[in-house]
Amino acid sequence: AQTVTQSQPEMSVQEAETVTLSCTYDTSESDYYLFWYKQPPSRQMILVIRQEAYKQQNATENRFSVNFQKAAKSFSLKISDSQLGDAAMYFCAYRSRQGGSEKLVFGKGTKLTVNP
Amino acid sequence: ETGVTQTPRHLVMGMTNKKSLKCEQHLGHNAMYWYKQSAKKPLELMFVYNFKEQTENNSVPSRFSPECPNSSHLFLHLHTLQPEDSALYLCASSRGGERETQYFGPGTRLLVL
Repeated sequence: AQTVTQSQPEMSVQEAETVTLSCTYDTSESDYYLFWYKQPPSRQMILVIRQEAYKQQNATENRFSVNFQKAAKSFSLKISDSQLGDAAMYFCAYRSRQGGSEKLVFGKGTKLTVNP
Repeated sequence: ETGVTQTPRHLVMGMTNKKSLKCEQHLGHNAMYWYKQSAKKPLELMFVYNFKEQTENNSVPSRFSPECPNSSHLFLHLHTLQPEDSALYLCASSRGGERETQYFGPGTRLLVL
C-alpha cells in the first residue's frame, strides 16, 4: 500500500520569504499523480498544485512550485514571496493510476505559519 | 468557494441518535467522496460514488451509511456512533476518472458524546 509522509508537523516563514515543505512517499508503481492541498483555518481544502509522475518537468502555479524527485520519491512544495493568506495546513497526497482507483492517500499535514 | 457545500457545519449527537450529513455539488461532477479527518491523522477516504454507484468502501463500519440519490447530492447517515467517530467529515467531488482533481467542501465538524 502507498504511504505519504510529511516530516514537518509545523513550519513558519516570514512574510515575503520563501519556504519549502517536504513530502516523501512510498510506492511500487511507476505512474501516479501527486498533489499539494491547502486547508486554511476556514477548513475548505483547496488544490494548490498537481504533478503527473510521467512528466519530468516540475509543476508551477504562480508562487507555488514543486521539486519532484521521482527516484528519491520526494515531492516538496516551495512557496515564494510568502503572504499572510498562505497560512494554512498543507497536505501532500498520492493517487494511483492503476485499476481506475480514485483513492487519494494523504500525509498528516504541515501547519504553515506566516509571520508579518 | 461554493462549488461543494455541506450541511450542517457543526453537529453534536449522542451515541443513540440518528443524524445525516448532506453534501451538494454545483460543479456538474459525476463522482462524490466522503472523507474523515481526525486530529493528528491523515485524511481517510470512506466512500466513493461514480454516477450514483458506490465504487469504493474503505472498510467503513456499518454505523456509517452513505446514500447518493443523484450525481449532485451525497448523504452520510449516522447511527449509534462512538465517541471516536468525532471528526471533521469532508465531502469532495470530481468529474470522475483518474485525471480529475477533487474539489472539497468545508466539512461538518461532528462531536459524538
